[in-house]
Amino acid sequence: GNSVTQMEGPVTLSEEAFLTINCTYTATGYPSLFWYVQYPGEGLQLLLKATKADDKGSNKGFEATYRKETTSFHLEKGSVQVSDSAVYFCALSDPTNQAGTALIFGKGTTLSVSS
Amino acid sequence: EPEVTQTPSHQVTQMGQEVILRCVPISNHLYFYWYRQILGQKVEFLVSFYNNEISEKSEIFDDQFSVERPDGSNFTLKIRSTKLEDSAMYFCASRTTLQNTGELFFGEGSRLTVL
Repeated sequence: GNSVTQMEGPVTLSEEAFLTINCTYTATGYPSLFWYVQYPGEGLQLLLKATKADDKGSNKGFEATYRKETTSFHLEKGSVQVSDSAVYFCALSDPTNQAGTALIFGKGTTLSVSS
Repeated sequence: EPEVTQTPSHQVTQMGQEVILRCVPISNHLYFYWYRQILGQKVEFLVSFYNNEISEKSEIFDDQFSVERPDGSNFTLKIRSTKLEDSAMYFCASRTTLQNTGELFFGEGSRLTVL
């Protein structure tokens, strides 16, 4: 079935460090891929998305490239800030199930950035 | 900016009690969802709802669960007789379009603690 696997956290970095959060997926067909972020005390917010192979999603300095050959959608940021501390969720849309499940999530990776 | 709102933010209940979690989706959205996240686990799909009926439900969504859109604005999740393992964060989400490239908008979540 369709699934998403994220690297285990927590990830602890100093400000201005480089961030990578790994995400791989299993899916039939051609899913869209998403990164959602959950800041403390808030709901899930869409960070970026990519809808087809080789697409790069980007937002707020974060980037992720849809790699079909490696079934990956790793999240990267060149220089993290304390305000980036949050939980990051990788997700995919199930292309075989339009109205139903909508999104399949990974477990989430907690990022903690210190100054 | 329009947002999905959820109430209560936190509810503590005794095992066996009924709980109703409320959501107000974004007003022009047509598709509604409930997800839950047990602490430290994945965000899991519970149920999707469109045109006043359930589109799909997961195996988690057993007979103890029900959803309703009673008045055209609220979207509720009822747990008839809570169990300890129902303790989780429950997220409501909505979207305008059926396309899986479309963004799902999430509320801040309702934390349910069953004692």
